[in-house]
Amino acid sequence: GAVVSQHPSRVICKSGTSVKIECRSLDFQATTMFWYRQFPKQSLMLMATSNEGSKATYEQGVEKDKFLINHASLTLSTLTVTSAHPEDSSFYICSARGDKDRMNTEAFFGQGTRLTVV
Amino acid sequence: LAKTTQPISMDSYEGQEVNITCSHNNIATNDYITWYQQFPSQGPRFIIQGYKTKVTNEVASLFIPADRKSSTLSLPRVSLSDTAVYYCLVGSIYNQGGKLIFGQGTELSVKP
Repeated sequence: GAVVSQHPSRVICKSGTSVKIECRSLDFQATTMFWYRQFPKQSLMLMATSNEGSKATYEQGVEKDKFLINHASLTLSTLTVTSAHPEDSSFYICSARGDKDRMNTEAFFGQGTRLTVV
Repeated sequence: LAKTTQPISMDSYEGQEVNITCSHNNIATNDYITWYQQFPSQGPRFIIQGYKTKVTNEVASLFIPADRKSSTLSLPRVSLSDTAVYYCLVGSIYNQGGKLIFGQGTELSVKP
């Protein structure tokens, strides 16, 4: 299957600082990328959907000014957690979907980023 | 988007066949059914995808009845390494941008 690489895999930051997480599709062009957040023992919660070159669409209840998403190219999307607080500590996962010419495509997931805000 | 319902947890023993059923009563015409596996602190991994009838690959089979309101993931002869959370998702690139909404998943525990 296709490869989605997420970086960093772990990050610890101080409260009030910003953290950027990168998501790259290594061997395909990702027309759409998704960002999820997952708390311990819970399912993945969709935060936002981004299409290359356009603004991200945020799910209800997700603060767009706090979670900045940029999808500048067909192989890279970034999530920036601004002014992080301890309650933002979570497992963040990106997902990418490729070629829409096929009838349907599976989504490929990154390995996740464990964010700890201290 | 169609909502999915799965058992919260299942137990099995090594070597047994495991069947996990997912209900998706409101599945849309364009929706595909996709199953993912997730280990702790890792991203979900694609297992299998189907639209109707039966699909089989090297790791699993997916059974979908004619009404498509449910699906069953079948894992043949599970091993300890199959202990994970399994998610059933329905969706299509033609519906709401193809976003995938995760349900609660099924936590499978395989015992020796």
